[in-house]
Amino acid sequence: QVQLVQSGAEVKKPGASVKVSCKASGYTFTGYYLHWVRQAPGQGLEWMGRINPYSGDTYYAQKFQGRVTMTRDTSISTAYMELNRLTSYDTAVYYCARPTSMVRSYFDLWGRGTLVTVSS
Amino acid sequence: DIQMTHSPSSLSASVGDRVTITCRASQVISNSLAWYQQKPGKAPKLLLYAAFRLESGVPSRFIGSGSGTDFTLTISSLQPEDFATYYCQQYYGTPWTFGQGTKVEIQ
Repeated sequence: QVQLVQSGAEVKKPGASVKVSCKASGYTFTGYYLHWVRQAPGQGLEWMGRINPYSGDTYYAQKFQGRVTMTRDTSISTAYMELNRLTSYDTAVYYCARPTSMVRSYFDLWGRGTLVTVSS
Repeated sequence: DIQMTHSPSSLSASVGDRVTITCRASQVISNSLAWYQQKPGKAPKLLLYAAFRLESGVPSRFIGSGSGTDFTLTISSLQPEDFATYYCQQYYGTPWTFGQGTKVEIQ
């Protein structure tokens, strides 16, 4: 079925990096952007950026510029989000999300989320 | 960035109640607004897009309205499965932004 399957929870120390994966199935991976959204504990949703799986082009929220890298491997229909120089403020659930079409930016398909805990 | 502001941040209601949540954008966003429902430990679920268009499979008791800067989500008759947090999202301009959410709790 159509789904996004994310990698498991991570615990990282401050200053480290984390790389979260999101494997797509049931649809044409290269036919839709793939976005990343995070949610800190008890907080709202924060859009981080997106990748075009067809071209590899990326667009990041200014807040994360220089610290986030989104990549993809089309051979295995998987997108990745790597966040560097982690602090406690990066403790959050990270979601990948697919918009309804290539020209829309609201999301009808979400991964289950990956909890990243940053703690010394 | 376009700021999205929910009101109220939380509310208590009973099954069968009519519930209205408001989302205000810091600038005009036409009708480029989506609503999501999120339950604890789950990913958000798309309810409506283009301010009022119902996503496939979403019950018709969820009603969206508004344009410009002011939007509302109305649940016409609250059901037990509707107790959740609701978020608006604007997709008019980048970065795409969400409101802080409205939590609907059982009275």
